[in-house]
Amino acid sequence: GNSVTQMEGPVTLSEEAFLTINCTYTATGYPSLFWYVQYPGEGLQLLLKATKADDKGSNKGFEATYRKETTSFHLEKGSVQVSDSAVYFCALGPSGGYNKLIFGAGTRLAVHP
Amino acid sequence: ETGVTQSPTHLIKTRGQQVTLRCSSQSGHNTVSWYQQALGQGPQFIFQYYREEENGRGNFPPRFSGLQFPNYSSELNVNALELDDSALYLCASSAGTSGRNNEQFFGPGTRLTVL
Repeated sequence: GNSVTQMEGPVTLSEEAFLTINCTYTATGYPSLFWYVQYPGEGLQLLLKATKADDKGSNKGFEATYRKETTSFHLEKGSVQVSDSAVYFCALGPSGGYNKLIFGAGTRLAVHP
Repeated sequence: ETGVTQSPTHLIKTRGQQVTLRCSSQSGHNTVSWYQQALGQGPQFIFQYYREEENGRGNFPPRFSGLQFPNYSSELNVNALELDDSALYLCASSAGTSGRNNEQFFGPGTRLTVL
């Protein structure tokens, strides 16, 4: 079945460092791909998405490119801030059928000043 | 525009009890999905409701049940609570049931603790 694998955390970075969080997926068809962020004590917020191969999603300085050849959707940011500290989830959307998301286990990011 | 709201925020129950969690969908949305997020894990899909009917279900036992009302709000009911049911329960609403552009908007969740 469909699945998502994320790099394990925690990821600890200094402010202004470069961030990469790896995400790979297994799926049939042409799913949509998402990154969600969860700040402490809160629900999930959509960070960015891509709906087809080679699409680049971007938001708030974060980017991810849908790579079908490597089945990957890695999250990157050129310069992280303390306020980016959160848990990041890669998720797989449907390529057909009803609107169900499959999430990875999440990667905790801690950014220090 | 009002976002997705959930109640209660926190809940403590004991094994064997029953619990009802509530969700109000975002304005204009007719589909509600429920997810269970155990500590340190990603959310797992429980089921989805569309126009008051269950539209899809994940790998959860029948003691997890739900309802959707004519105003598209929803309830999640869990019977015979087990310790492993302790989790954050997330509700998400969307404007439709399928298609790659039906973004799901999540509520803040209900934290359930089973003792």
